[in-house]
Amino acid sequence: DSGVTQTPKHLITATGQRVTLRCSPRSGDLSVYWYQQSLDQGLQFLIQYYNGEERAKGNILERFSAQQFPDLHSELNLSSLELGDSALYFCASSASIAGGQETQYFGPGTRLLVL
Amino acid sequence: DAKTTQPTSMDCAEGRAANLPCNHSTISGNEYVYWYRQIHSQGPQYIIHGLKNNETNEMASLIITEDRKSSTLILPHATLRDTAVYYCIVRVAKTSYDKVIFGPGTSLSVIP
Repeated sequence: DSGVTQTPKHLITATGQRVTLRCSPRSGDLSVYWYQQSLDQGLQFLIQYYNGEERAKGNILERFSAQQFPDLHSELNLSSLELGDSALYFCASSASIAGGQETQYFGPGTRLLVL
Repeated sequence: DAKTTQPTSMDCAEGRAANLPCNHSTISGNEYVYWYRQIHSQGPQYIIHGLKNNETNEMASLIITEDRKSSTLILPHATLRDTAVYYCIVRVAKTSYDKVIFGPGTSLSVIP
């Protein structure tokens, strides 16, 4: 158990819908990261937040957005869902923002299926 | 960030040491080498990391060449539960942001 929690574990929805994925980082961790893992793409970095501020963006679609709240939990919002958005979505956290010196610990993921 | 290359797949007999290589020939002086593994569709699990020196913990050993252009992850006594995809990544030591790039990794199969 990494200490990072994600809800829900599974989510089934229809095309065009909007969903929110939630992540609670490890106690004391200030940095949160979101990743997408689909069958043909591997683990793709989406976005990073540090203490409520966006710090880095990866291959995140404009239909996707995220935020980190004052209590440090984070939410990833996916809208106008398409079949291709079906994937595993992982959240990770680290103590701070000092790059290579700070280990990222991953949550168990949310499996999204868009029908 | 430096890129890494790893074999697509490897087999290892149960009880034997599993040696997983990683090439990171463009690594910079301030980049750490990290290893994670992912069992089936679970969240990636941190294994070990290092900068210059060899490292060992309860899970594995990390051997980094003197020129830092390659490294090897060693699982000393592989078990069936070590069957997973192993990712080698490099990360900058200090940065105002942290954008981790995962490659396809090595799929390790531990065979009874």
